[in-house]
Amino acid sequence: DGGITQSPKYLFRKEGQNVTLSCEQNLNHDAMYWYRQDPGQGLRLIYYSQIVNDFQKGDIAEGYSVSREKKESFPLTVTSAQKNPTAFYLCASSIPGYYNYGYTFGSGTRLTVV
Amino acid sequence: RKEVEQDPGPFNVPEGATVAFNCTYSNSASQSFFWYRQDCRKEPKLLMSVYSSGNEDGRFTAQLNRASQYISLLIRDSKLSDSATYLCVPNFDNTNAGKSTFGDGTTLTVKP
Repeated sequence: DGGITQSPKYLFRKEGQNVTLSCEQNLNHDAMYWYRQDPGQGLRLIYYSQIVNDFQKGDIAEGYSVSREKKESFPLTVTSAQKNPTAFYLCASSIPGYYNYGYTFGSGTRLTVV
Repeated sequence: RKEVEQDPGPFNVPEGATVAFNCTYSNSASQSFFWYRQDCRKEPKLLMSVYSSGNEDGRFTAQLNRASQYISLLIRDSKLSDSATYLCVPNFDNTNAGKSTFGDGTTLTVKP
């Protein structure tokens, strides 16, 4: 079955450490996105990519980095510059277009700073 | 003013009740609209898409009012399993990148 796989499900980061969250999709979707969700809040866009080897900053890109070397993969690195990284991270993909058909989400990664 | 505003609730209703949520948006260029359902500590899942005046799927009806810039979600005959947070998403990304701005969600609890 097609879908998006995020790993790990839970991740613990020490102060000053960089960590990378994995996102893989086999839906053949061109566009991929990373969102952050804090408790009781909506989703905020970190980065998005419409095509391989290209990506743009979203609303809260500071302290994060991404790469898009393959259509199927869009990993997110949370760097030590991100001062408050504890959150629920969601990866999504879509078929971009004027009438966006909505997103398919992965099951998310919960990141906690220890 | 936030781009997308939802009443956070919580809405507490008995089984069988009809409940409606509103979502207002500020960008009149929005062309497509979505309602997502998110269960506690889970990812959002697409519930309904709205491209014209509205959409209906079983007990769920979404209506769009472009003049007043809001969309609504009506749930009839509420079930316990409808308890979740409902996220409103207008898509007004003119670059067609599909970037959507999510509302903070409305929480619904259906009680026996």
